[in-house]
Amino acid sequence: NAGVMQNPRHLVRRRGQEARLRCSPMKGHSHVYWYRQLPEEGLKFMVYLQKENIIDESGMPKERFSAEFPKEGPSILRIQQVVRGDSAAYFCASSGQGEAFFGQGTRLTVV
Amino acid sequence: DAKTTQPTSMDCAEGRAANLPCNHSTISGNEYVYWYRQIHSQGPQYIIHGLKNNETNEMASLIITEDRKSSTLILPHATLRDTAVYYCIVRANTGTASKLTFGTGTRLQVTL
Repeated sequence: NAGVMQNPRHLVRRRGQEARLRCSPMKGHSHVYWYRQLPEEGLKFMVYLQKENIIDESGMPKERFSAEFPKEGPSILRIQQVVRGDSAAYFCASSGQGEAFFGQGTRLTVV
Repeated sequence: DAKTTQPTSMDCAEGRAANLPCNHSTISGNEYVYWYRQIHSQGPQYIIHGLKNNETNEMASLIITEDRKSSTLILPHATLRDTAVYYCIVRANTGTASKLTFGTGTRLQVTL
């Protein structure tokens, strides 16, 4: 049973470009969570999704950020018009009704 | 979700038991205690969780006080690879999944 898969592992974008981060949950998991970790800081919750629904987006910035978890395929975290301050590690986790398991993250660098 | 309080950092000699405390005095009856760790900049790793009984698995033991206001994660024989930031998280279990809210955790340094 493969773990949570995130890709790409590393992503470099120029300011103003779009970044798309993908997360494939563990088999049988229908809940996905996205977290952001700025350099030398803690993990900050961004958004919690179930299939086709956003359950809690209280941690999402109001502009430029969006997330989806379609019926088929991975969850996508999309950042439009990236800025240097978006440079961070983005972690995805998935769960069923119990414990959540994390992927290895996508490290976004905005140049 | 209830807040947790953990020491900022701890040291432990390799081969000795590492006992990491966590205070969660405002925990509610339906809230579980979860422990995760993050080694360097890797993804957080699930360790163990419990409601009110003590729990043990291949990684660690979790001791929860009778009043559930505090708990201790025990790594019985710490190794250098256990050096990490350890997070104690209280999470509601209402029949549907809920988010994990990470605090600042305890930075455990295992030394020779």
